[in-house]
Amino acid sequence: NAGVTQTPKFQVLKTGQSMTLQCAQDMNHEYMSWYRQDPGMGLRLIHYSVGAGITDQGEVPNGYNVSRSTTEDFPLRLLSAAPSQTSVYFCASSFGGNHINEQFFGPGTRLTVL
Amino acid sequence: GQQVMQIPQYQHVQEGEDFTTYCNSSTTLSNIQWYKQRPGGHPVFLIQLVKSGEVKKQKRLTFQFGEAKKNSSLHITATQTTDVGTYFCAGPLGGSYIPTFGRGTSLIVHP
Repeated sequence: NAGVTQTPKFQVLKTGQSMTLQCAQDMNHEYMSWYRQDPGMGLRLIHYSVGAGITDQGEVPNGYNVSRSTTEDFPLRLLSAAPSQTSVYFCASSFGGNHINEQFFGPGTRLTVL
Repeated sequence: GQQVMQIPQYQHVQEGEDFTTYCNSSTTLSNIQWYKQRPGGHPVFLIQLVKSGEVKKQKRLTFQFGEAKKNSSLHITATQTTDVGTYFCAGPLGGSYIPTFGRGTSLIVHP
């Protein structure tokens, strides 16, 4: 199993550009989520999904869109990039339900917005 | 709003010294999880505690969940350079399916 994969690893954007961060998992996990990590701020939840077709907002959703058309994939879209979105983005997945909800994280995408 | 708070933000220790990080929630948690993130890496799950007053050990690491299920701690005995990294606690707030993370404690071990 590849676990949780994220592409790209690094990305540089100009202000106003849009892009999609890809996330996929091959563990048949129900729950998937996107976090951003900034120095001293820990991991802040952007959006999450508890199953295909179901998404909800986290703590810092503004400027980001998500969709979950399949169990495996959970892309994160930046609609119009801003310098404040410079961050490291982690995708995570977990079984959900009554399982121990260990979050499995991907390797991250380092995004710089100029 | 509801929060998961973690202290200290940084901790420098000499190799061989002990280390403790503390986690506090504004509300009662159904469970608390701990993760470790090595520099440049991604968070990796260490453990989940569920029961009030629960204590679990993993070699030199001891995890505790408070009686009121609002606080937790991670204690490392005799730190080693391999313990370097940031330790996060995380718990589901307000009935959420997804855990809220504390800001983490960065452990720096000096040889």
